[in-house]
Amino acid sequence: DAKTTQPPSMDCAEGRAANLPCNHSTISGNEYVYWYRQIHSQGPQYIIHGLKNNETNEMASLIITEDRKSSTLILPHATLRDTAVYYCIGGTDSNYQLIWGAGTKLIIKP
Amino acid sequence: DTEVTQTPKHLVMGMTNKKSLKCEQHMGHRAMYWYKQKAKKPPELMFVYSYEKLSINESVPSRFSPECPNSSLLNLHLHALQPEDSALYLCASSQRLASGGARTDTQYFGPGTRLTVL
Repeated sequence: DAKTTQPPSMDCAEGRAANLPCNHSTISGNEYVYWYRQIHSQGPQYIIHGLKNNETNEMASLIITEDRKSSTLILPHATLRDTAVYYCIGGTDSNYQLIWGAGTKLIIKP
Repeated sequence: DTEVTQTPKHLVMGMTNKKSLKCEQHMGHRAMYWYKQKAKKPPELMFVYSYEKLSINESVPSRFSPECPNSSLLNLHLHALQPEDSALYLCASSQRLASGGARTDTQYFGPGTRLTVL
């Protein structure tokens, strides 16, 4: 099964861009990269996904390397409300179900 | 609208009780999921329904019994649970069940039910 590797924690100053890296070196060519976040004790919130090209929506930007072995989620102007655990999902299991990594705890500091 | 609702928000039950968790979505999604999440861990998949039929059971103990009465509703019936079953139970839905190929099936999650088994 595919695995993802993320740093366990990161800090970012409020108002700055938060760049969250993810390694998914075993991702298959037709598997999407997904990012979710989970604010304490709430359900995971979908952020963005991509296959090969960089993607942007109202929440974030997703930069995927050309070899698709890693990606970076960018929150352009982080606020205190962006403090959460961010999960990168770069692959699926034998039932095509998402494989969740351990996530990155992002703390936005004033 | 990408809303999945779950009730109750909190549930405390004894090991001999029978209770049910409920999940509802009105996005027309045909795949629905139950996950279990322990503290400081990622969600773990329990069950997946596709077109109201159970498609995936991740070797979950029989004290957890899922039910999909219709395309909008998903229940999880609980009976004779153990204290180690205390966790956040999450429901999710997606347009379809993933089946390989370069197709996205984004899952949308509900707020969860915090279950405590005494």
